[in-house]
Amino acid sequence: QQQVKQSPQSLIVQKGGISIINCAYENTAFDYFPWYQQFPGKGPALLIAIRPDVSEKKEGRFTISFNKSAKQFSLHIMDSQPGDSATYFCAATGGFKTIFGAGTRLFVKA
Amino acid sequence: NAGVTQTPKFRVLKTGQSMTLLCAQDMNHEYMYWYRQDPGMGLRLIHYSVGEGTTAKGEVPDGYNVSRLKKQNFLLGLESAAPSQTSVYFCASGRTMTGYEQYFGPGTRLTVT
Repeated sequence: QQQVKQSPQSLIVQKGGISIINCAYENTAFDYFPWYQQFPGKGPALLIAIRPDVSEKKEGRFTISFNKSAKQFSLHIMDSQPGDSATYFCAATGGFKTIFGAGTRLFVKA
Repeated sequence: NAGVTQTPKFRVLKTGQSMTLLCAQDMNHEYMYWYRQDPGMGLRLIHYSVGEGTTAKGEVPDGYNVSRLKKQNFLLGLESAAPSQTSVYFCASGRTMTGYEQYFGPGTRLTVT
C-alpha cells in the first residue's frame, strides 16, 4: 500500500513565526507533490504543488522544499497569520490517483 | 460558477439502509473522485472516473458503488450502510490527466447508527 507519512499531527505557532510541516513518501512513481489547505466545514483546496525534478518552490509566504534522494518534502509558512489556522494535507500524485497524508492541524496564536 | 456541489450536506442512516450521494460539477472536468475523510487518516480514495460512462476502484471501494452517466455528475451509492461507513465524504473533480489539481466539494457528513 502506497503511503505518505505526515508530521506533526498538530502544530501551534505564534503569529509571525514559521510553520513547518513534513512529509515522507515510499514510492518513487509520483508525478507531483501538492499541498492542500482545509478550513473547518469546507473541502480541501490546492495551496501549492511541486514536481520531483524541482528542489524548491515558493508562492508568497508558502514554500515547498523537496528532497528526492530522501523521499521527503516539507511546507514552510513564513510570517504565519491567524488566518492560516487550518488543516494542511500533503499528497503525492501518480497518474489518476492522489495519496494524501493524514493531515496537520495548524493553529496560529494571535 | 458553482464549482463542485454535493447533496445532501448531512445524513443519518440506520444500519442496512441505502442512500445515494450526488456530486455535480460545472467546470467541464473529465476526472471525478469520491473520497472519505476520517480523523487521523487523511483522505482515502473510494472510486474515481476518467470520463462519462467510466468508473474505477480506488483504495477503499468495498461497500460502495458509483455511476457516471453524465459528465457533470458522479453518484456514490451505499447499498447497505454499516457503522464503519460513518465519515465525511468529499467529491472532487480535475481537468488534467496528472490529477494533482483537484477541486473539492463542501462534503457530506454521514452517520450510520
